[in-house]
Parts: sequence; C-alpha cells; structure tokens
Amino acid sequence: DTEVTQTPKHLVMGMTNKKSLKCEQHMGHRAMYWYKQKAKKPPELMFVYSYEKLSINESVPSRFSPECPNSSLLNLHLHALQPEDSALYLCASSQGDNEQFFGPGTRLTVL
Amino acid sequence: GQSLEQPSEVTAVEGAIVQINCTYQTSGFYGLSWYQQHDGGAPTFLSYNALDGLEETGRFSSFLSRSDSYGYLLLQELQMKDSASYFCAVSSQAGTALIFGKGTTLSVSS
Repeated sequence: DTEVTQTPKHLVMGMTNKKSLKCEQHMGHRAMYWYKQKAKKPPELMFVYSYEKLSINESVPSRFSPECPNSSLLNLHLHALQPEDSALYLCASSQGDNEQFFGPGTRLTVL
Repeated sequence: GQSLEQPSEVTAVEGAIVQINCTYQTSGFYGLSWYQQHDGGAPTFLSYNALDGLEETGRFSSFLSRSDSYGYLLLQELQMKDSASYFCAVSSQAGTALIFGKGTTLSVSS
C-alpha cells in the first residue's frame, strides 16, 4: 500500500463547530506532516510529527490541534475556525530525506 | 529569511523541451525536490537532488548546483498531460520540513 488517505474529502463547518481531519498511511513512514494550501499558492507547512512526536509547529494558531495516535494515523482537530482558514489541508508522510507522499487533501470551507 | 524563486508561468507546445529554474536562499540546505500538482490534485514527487549534478527519471531531469544555490527541472517531449503547477522545495533539515517555492504553472498546447 503506497498511498496516504485522508477523510473527509470535503468539509463545510461553521465558526463555532468542532471537527477533525484524519490521515492514514500504511507505508511504515516515520514522519507525517500537515500542510495548508490556499488556491494558486504553494503548500505551507503546519506541523511535523517524527516517530509520533511533534517535532515542528510552524506557529500555527491554537484553533488547530494536531494529534498522532499511532505511527499510521494523524489527526487535525479544528475548533473555532475563521473564514480565512478555508483551504486545502494536505497530509503527507515520508521515510527518508527525499520523497514525501501526499494524500488527496481535505477541502475545508469555514462559513 | 528563506526564499525560493521560480518563474510564475511557462508555456510550450507538445513535443518541446522546457526548463524551470529555481534559486533558493535558506538558512539550511539538505536537498532540492520537485513536485507536480494538477488542478484539484495533490502534489506528487518528481525528483530530488542532494548533491550537485543531474538526476534523470524518464522524461524528467533535475539539476542542482549547491555553490550557486540553483537548480532546474527539465521536461522533455512535453505532453498535454504535463500541464500542471511545478514546485521546487528545499529540505532545510534532514528528513523533515519542505519549504516550497511559489510554483510555476506550465501550459502545454497542441
């Protein structure tokens, strides 16, 4: 299995809602990532987990809360988001220093 | 600061060769990667250079010069399906975060 899966594909939420994005990989990769991508822009790194421990948090607001329950799963908990948080949220994983495998993303709309 | 510069748009015809350049200025450097992203899709890995020189993978090649902080992606025998955004990305630390350039939109016409 050489893919990263993400659920849901699309999510619409209000500013007072709490929701979670899920990411799964079964390639045995040691590192997992969350990126945020706005239209016509490059992916921006949010969080990095290495061996299930948070190793990088790129000054992301606390309304985004990552969680890595085990080596295959990565969650992103969302609470009290703003309309400007609407974007494509991409999960990725990697084993070595070169290739990152990206999931298809969750397209999030905050109303 | 950290920055990666690449052209915003490139156009070409089928069968042609295109080179997308990338210059970078980062606080650390571990390697230069290239990713392709079609509209509505996820980035997919194309190539990686950690050492100076040329890496060839089918129709795509990538080059790196660490002393010049410069690399390029060479796409040969262009096909319509190559129309996409191409991002260069730097790994500033071993095996972790990627810093992406702004992306180059390649349009291939017949």
